[in-house]
Amino acid sequence: AQRVTQPEKLLSVFKGAPVELKCNYSYSGSPELFWYVQYSRQRLQLLLRHISRESIKGFTADLNKGETSFHLKKPFAQEEDSAMYYCAPPGGNFNKFYFGSGTKLNVKP
Amino acid sequence: DTEVTQTPKHLVMGMTNKKSLKCEQHMGHRAMYWYKQKAKKPPELMFVYSYEKLSINESVPSRFSPECPNSSLLNLHLHALQPEDSALYLCASSQEEGGGQPQHFGDGTRLSIL
Repeated sequence: AQRVTQPEKLLSVFKGAPVELKCNYSYSGSPELFWYVQYSRQRLQLLLRHISRESIKGFTADLNKGETSFHLKKPFAQEEDSAMYYCAPPGGNFNKFYFGSGTKLNVKP
Repeated sequence: DTEVTQTPKHLVMGMTNKKSLKCEQHMGHRAMYWYKQKAKKPPELMFVYSYEKLSINESVPSRFSPECPNSSLLNLHLHALQPEDSALYLCASSQEEGGGQPQHFGDGTRLSIL
């Protein structure tokens, strides 16, 4: 199955600091990857997808095929960015959706 | 309407009860999903429906029985659940089943088994 790995369970940064949430994938080919975010007491929602190459809420993510990574970055973290972030591929056979284990981002004032 | 709506929001049931979780979307999506999410864990895929037909069953115990009455509705029938089944159950939908399809999630039903 096509899987992703998020090595950090918790990432704490101060407001205004840069943040990078890591995601590595373990399959070949042309993956299509997503980042999802789950704010406290809110539903899981799509943050961005790599094919759109857009910036949402100041976050960007670039697919690096050489490093098989899809890290999520933001130059200046805000307190409202505190949430759980999940990296996700479409899955094997493109029928399944396996989330990474998630990284909890805590932005301190 | 760009939402996935799940009812009820909370459900407490005994191990001998029969209950159902409901999910509805009116975005014209043809793929719908059930996930189980335990505290501090990522969602785990349970079932996938595509064009109202069961496409994926991730070896889920038979005490969970999904049903897709039409393209907008997805149910999860529960019977004889165990305490370890207590979790947040998420419904999601996507345009089609397949690669590159972002999923829209509901708020979930928080299920507690006594």
